[in-house]
Amino acid sequence: DTEVTQTPKHLVMGMTNKKSLKCEQHMGHRAMYWYKQKAKKPPELMFVYSYEKLSINESVPSRFSPECPNSSLLNLHLHALQPEDSALYLCASSQDEDVFLYGYTFGSGTRLTVV
Amino acid sequence: GQQVMQIPQYQHVQEGEDFTTYCNSSTTLSNIQWYKQRPGGHPVFLIQLVKSGEVKKQKRLTFQFGEAKKNSSLHITATQTTDVGTYFCAGRSGTSYGKLTFGQGTILTVHP
Repeated sequence: DTEVTQTPKHLVMGMTNKKSLKCEQHMGHRAMYWYKQKAKKPPELMFVYSYEKLSINESVPSRFSPECPNSSLLNLHLHALQPEDSALYLCASSQDEDVFLYGYTFGSGTRLTVV
Repeated sequence: GQQVMQIPQYQHVQEGEDFTTYCNSSTTLSNIQWYKQRPGGHPVFLIQLVKSGEVKKQKRLTFQFGEAKKNSSLHITATQTTDVGTYFCAGRSGTSYGKLTFGQGTILTVHP
C-alpha cells in the first residue's frame, strides 16, 4: 500500500460546527503532516507529528486541533472555523521527519468549505 | 525565516516547446525536492536532490541543484499536454528538521 487516504473528500460546515478530518497510511511512515492549501498557492505547513508526537505547530489557531492516535492515523479536529479557513487540507507522510529519501506522499486532500 | 522563491509564476507553451522553472533560496539548503500537482489534484513527489551540483534526469525532465545549494531548476524538454500542472520546489535547511518550505509554484499550461 503506497497511499495516504484522506476522508472525507469534501466537507461543508457551519461556523458553529465541530468536524474531523481523517488521514491514514500503511506504509510504515513515522512522520505525518497536515498542510493547508489555498487556490493557486503552495501548501502551507500546519503540524508535524514524528513518532506519534507533535513536533511542529506552525502557530496554528486553536480552532484546529491535531491528534495522532497511532502511527497510521492522523486526525484534524475542527471547531468554530471561519470562512477564511476554507481550503484544501492535505495530509502527507514520510519515512521519518529527518530522512527525506523518498519525499512526502500526499493524500488527495479534503476540500473544506466553511459557511 | 527560510524563503524559497520560484519563477516564473505562470508559463504558457506550445506543445513541443521546452519549459524551465527556477527556485532560489535565501539560505543554504540541505536538500531540495520537486513536486507536480495536476489541476484538481494533490502534490506528487518527483525527485530529491541532495548533493552540490547534482543533476538528475527522468525521461524528458532534468533537475539541477546549484553548486552553492541555494538554487535549483527543473527543465522539461518537448512538453506534452500531460505535463500541465503546477510544479513546486520544496527545500529544507539544516536548521528546520521536519519543515519543508515550498516555493510559490509555476503553473504550466501546454497548448496543443
